[in-house]
Amino acid sequence: QVQLQESGPGLVKPSETLSLSCAVSGYSISSGYYWGWIRQPPGKGLEWIGSIYQSGNTYYNPSLKSRVTISADTSKNQFSLKVSSVTAADTAVYYCARHPRSGSLDYWGQGTLVTVSS
Amino acid sequence: QSALTQPPSASGSPGQSVTISCTGTSSDVGGYNYVSWYQQHPGIAPKLIIYEVSKRPSGVPDRFSGSKSGNTASLTVSGLQAEDEADYYCSSYAGSNSWVFGGGTKLTVL
Repeated sequence: QVQLQESGPGLVKPSETLSLSCAVSGYSISSGYYWGWIRQPPGKGLEWIGSIYQSGNTYYNPSLKSRVTISADTSKNQFSLKVSSVTAADTAVYYCARHPRSGSLDYWGQGTLVTVSS
Repeated sequence: QSALTQPPSASGSPGQSVTISCTGTSSDVGGYNYVSWYQQHPGIAPKLIIYEVSKRPSGVPDRFSGSKSGNTASLTVSGLQAEDEADYYCSSYAGSNSWVFGGGTKLTVL
């Protein structure tokens, strides 16, 4: 059974960098599939942030591309997200998930709330 | 890359059918048979209920069905049950390894 688990600080100060990790069990992240990050501001809809494929190629939402970096650590079977220069608008529940090229997110983490506040 | 358009709300009585639309462009919904639908209950991660326009993952009741015509995809929930009350999101492949979500629809079972 594929399982994903997000981890990272729940509170980040404005202008700083948000950093999250997603630990994957039950499937090797280097064996195929895209591994993505999605966020959901409180009371709002879902937004695709970006994805990494085969632990190498990265793809980002154009609206966030200048501030986002996704990387993978195959030795730990996990992938990570960094969002720089955060503002209150980056406050959201952040999810990690697995998907094929079609984009169907079949396995999700439980999500982690990140609040941007001083 | 703009968000797909969904109605903010939909409703129906138990046993009835309800259809939720998801409108995009020829660059996303209309260009690929890669539309997915998700069900999200409060405080829980979304659950995949339809992929590749009309396919259901194992375990998803056949009361949920998907279709597409041109730039608009649709999710139909038949035989509405109380537990179907949730938020529903569509998503589509948008080319060049990018993906886009709809704004979400809150389904109320009356």
